[in-house]
Amino acid sequence: NAGVTQTPKFQVLKTGQSMTLQCAQDMNHNSMYWYRQDPGMGLRLIYYSASEGTTDKGEVPNGYNVSRLNKREFSLRLESAAPSQTSVYFCASSELWTSAEQYFGPGTRLTVT
Amino acid sequence: KNEVEQSPQNLTAQEGEFITINCSYSVGISALHWLQQHPGGGIVSLFMLSSGKKKHGRLIATINIQEKHSSLHITASHPRDSAVYICAVKGRGGATNKLIFGTGTLLAVQP
Repeated sequence: NAGVTQTPKFQVLKTGQSMTLQCAQDMNHNSMYWYRQDPGMGLRLIYYSASEGTTDKGEVPNGYNVSRLNKREFSLRLESAAPSQTSVYFCASSELWTSAEQYFGPGTRLTVT
Repeated sequence: KNEVEQSPQNLTAQEGEFITINCSYSVGISALHWLQQHPGGGIVSLFMLSSGKKKHGRLIATINIQEKHSSLHITASHPRDSAVYICAVKGRGGATNKLIFGTGTLLAVQP
């Protein structure tokens, strides 16, 4: 089992460009999450999907959109990238919304110039 | 004030030393998570606990629910333990049913 996979691993964008970060899990988990990690701050929740067919805003949703494509896949889209979105992005999944344990992907390092 | 505070923020140790990383939180929780992140790497779950103590190899995690405090101990530390250690708590149900993360403790173990 690959666990949680993310693509791409690295990306450089110019301000105003758009891109989609892909995430997939093969653990048959119901819930999936997108976080960003910035220096000196804890991981912050951008969006989450408690179950297939539902998505909800987290702590820092502005500038992002998500799609829960199916049970396995949860993508994060930046419509018009800004330098403030330079960060490391992590996707995670958990068996249930009520599960405490989350499994993380390897991360995507995004730089917006 | 952050809901999850870790100390110290940075820690340098010599190989073989006993290491303690602390986590204090201010919210009611259903579980606490210790995570490890190597430089440039992904995040790996070390422990999830809601009471008492857990041990895995040289790692020990304890939690005191009444005092809202958890510790992560590393015995006989090794340079490969160098990483960021992150504490995260899961609130109890409803809007708080999400992980709240500390800012991490950067550990460097020197040979």
